[in-house]
Amino acid sequence: AQTVTQSQPEMSVQEAETVTLSCTYDTSESNYYLFWYKQPPSRQMILVIRQEAYKQQNATENRFSVNFQKAAKSFSLKISDSQLGDTAMYFCAFMKKTGANSKLTFGKGITLSVRP
Amino acid sequence: ETGVTQTPRHLVMGMTNKKSLKCEQHLGHNAMYWYKQSAKKPLELMFVYNFKEQTENNSVPSRFSPECPNSSHLFLHLHTLQPEDSALYLCASSYGTSGGVYEQYFGPGTRLTVT
Repeated sequence: AQTVTQSQPEMSVQEAETVTLSCTYDTSESNYYLFWYKQPPSRQMILVIRQEAYKQQNATENRFSVNFQKAAKSFSLKISDSQLGDTAMYFCAFMKKTGANSKLTFGKGITLSVRP
Repeated sequence: ETGVTQTPRHLVMGMTNKKSLKCEQHLGHNAMYWYKQSAKKPLELMFVYNFKEQTENNSVPSRFSPECPNSSHLFLHLHTLQPEDSALYLCASSYGTSGGVYEQYFGPGTRLTVT
């Protein structure tokens, strides 16, 4: 079974600054995907970024980038130039590449507040 | 309507009531999911449907009864719930469930309070 750990329950960052959200996971799989989801106060969860485990290059989506350390089973999210609209809960999630049901295993989430 | 919609957005029910949550996706997806989101806990997958067939029941109590009449609609029928069932119930959909990674698109959720 897979587990995803987000040990920081809350973080706060000043607008325009950079913040890093931590995530570790445990799995015996070698082929998998990792995701960061964002859930704003309106509650609609949206995908921020995803990383394929077999790709060494870290994924980047505009101001969002990841630091994927496969050996350490670490998958952190860096948000650059933080904006007020980045205030949300952020969930790290894991999905096996093989098998049925594309099951997502989520962490507990972290509440990020961006201060004006 | 676009994306994944859920109704009602808020629901308060007594332990003896029977109610239903509705989810509809307008994305042409084939798979639909129910998740439970409780405070301070990871999202818990409850049920998965693929082409209207249930492919996953994650040991969910029988007081939760899902129904998927077609690939666009998913219901969660609730009866004799307990206060600990109070949570945000999220619906999601995706193109598929196996043979690749399929991004799941989430609805806004139904905030359920059991009194």
